Amino acid sequence: DGGITQSPKYLFRKEGQNVTLSCEQNLNHDAMYWYRQDPGQGLRLIYYSQIVNDFQKGDIAEGYSVSREKKESFPLTVTSAQKNPTAFYLCASIPQRGGTEAFFGQGTRLTVV
Amino acid sequence: RKEVEQDPGPFNVPEGATVAFNCTYSNSASQSFFWYRQDCRKEPKLLMSVYSSGNEDGRFTAQLNRASQYISLLIRDSKLSDSATYLCVVSLNYGGSQGNLIFGKGTKLSVKP
Repeated sequence: DGGITQSPKYLFRKEGQNVTLSCEQNLNHDAMYWYRQDPGQGLRLIYYSQIVNDFQKGDIAEGYSVSREKKESFPLTVTSAQKNPTAFYLCASIPQRGGTEAFFGQGTRLTVV
Repeated sequence: RKEVEQDPGPFNVPEGATVAFNCTYSNSASQSFFWYRQDCRKEPKLLMSVYSSGNEDGRFTAQLNRASQYISLLIRDSKLSDSATYLCVVSLNYGGSQGNLIFGKGTKLSVKP
């Protein structure tokens, strides 16, 4: 079955460490997105990519980095520069430049310990 | 003005009530419109797409008014299981400052016995 997969579901990080969240899709979608959600809050855009080897900063890109070396994969690295990384991270994809629904992964819950 | 604005909520209603959610969008290049449902600590899931002609799915009715840049969702005979956060989502026909997807902050609905 086609879908979008995030891993891990839960992740614990020590302060000062970089961690990478995985997002893979086999839907042949062009655009992929990373969002952060804090308790009781809406989705905030971190980064997005509309084509391989290209990506754009969203509203809260500081302390994060991404790559898009393959169409299927859009990993997000939470760096030590991100001062408050504990949050729920959601990856989404859409099949073309616009006009269609977004498909979401199940999310990764990151906690700093 | 925010690109997608929703009622701030929360909405607390008794079972069987009819509840309406409203959403306005500012970008006239918006091409497609959706309502998503998000349960606590889960990823958003598509509830329904919204068409200019209006569309209905059981107890749910969605309407779009392009001239007023306004989207609505009506839930009739609300059930306890309808308790969730409802997200208004707009998809652009080209990449804007947030890529193609613009999310509202969501409106929380609690249906009480």
